[in-house]
Amino acid sequence: DGGITQSPKYLFRKEGQNVTLSCEQNLNHDAMYWYRQDPGQGLRLIYYSQIVNDFQKGDIAEGYSVSREKKESFPLTVTSAQKNPTAFYLCASTFRGPGELFFGEGSRLTVL
Amino acid sequence: GENVEQHPSTLSVQEGDSAVIKCTYSDSASNYFPWYKQELGKGPQLIIDIRSNVGEKKDQRIAVTLNKTAKHFSLHITETQPEDSAVYFCAASRALGNEKLTFGTGTRLTIIP
Repeated sequence: DGGITQSPKYLFRKEGQNVTLSCEQNLNHDAMYWYRQDPGQGLRLIYYSQIVNDFQKGDIAEGYSVSREKKESFPLTVTSAQKNPTAFYLCASTFRGPGELFFGEGSRLTVL
Repeated sequence: GENVEQHPSTLSVQEGDSAVIKCTYSDSASNYFPWYKQELGKGPQLIIDIRSNVGEKKDQRIAVTLNKTAKHFSLHITETQPEDSAVYFCAASRALGNEKLTFGTGTRLTIIP
């Protein structure tokens, strides 16, 4: 089955710790995206990558980092510099250009 | 940049009735308008989209209308069913790429049996 897989589904972190969220896709998509979702707000773009070994900042990149070493994988690290990291994080992928975004089921991060 | 406003934030309708969700956008150059449905505990899923060269698009019980002059677009769901209960997001972009997609704040639709 083709799809996009995020892990873990739930994650708890102490303040001051970095945490990495995994995103893997087997859809052969070129582009991958990370969004943050907060209650009452739309999806906000953190980082995106249109090709391996290249990625760009989105609207709210501060306190986050990414890598794109393989086409299938686009992990997101939430660093201790992120002031308000508790949120629902969504990964998505698509072929290059505008079109349908395929989302994973999300990772809920809670900072204690 | 683009700003997308979505109303209402919550909507309850009786099963079988119609539901309408409205969005307005600010960038007159936007020309791609998708709608995503997010069920509880899941990621959003595209349900319908429209490009600016058409004014209306239908897919079974779902339709989207676009008014470029007024810069607003709407999602219409007819003959609502319990499985339509979800959060719906509109979005807008210049269709240069998904990195330019701006989402609305979402509408939680509840279908009352």
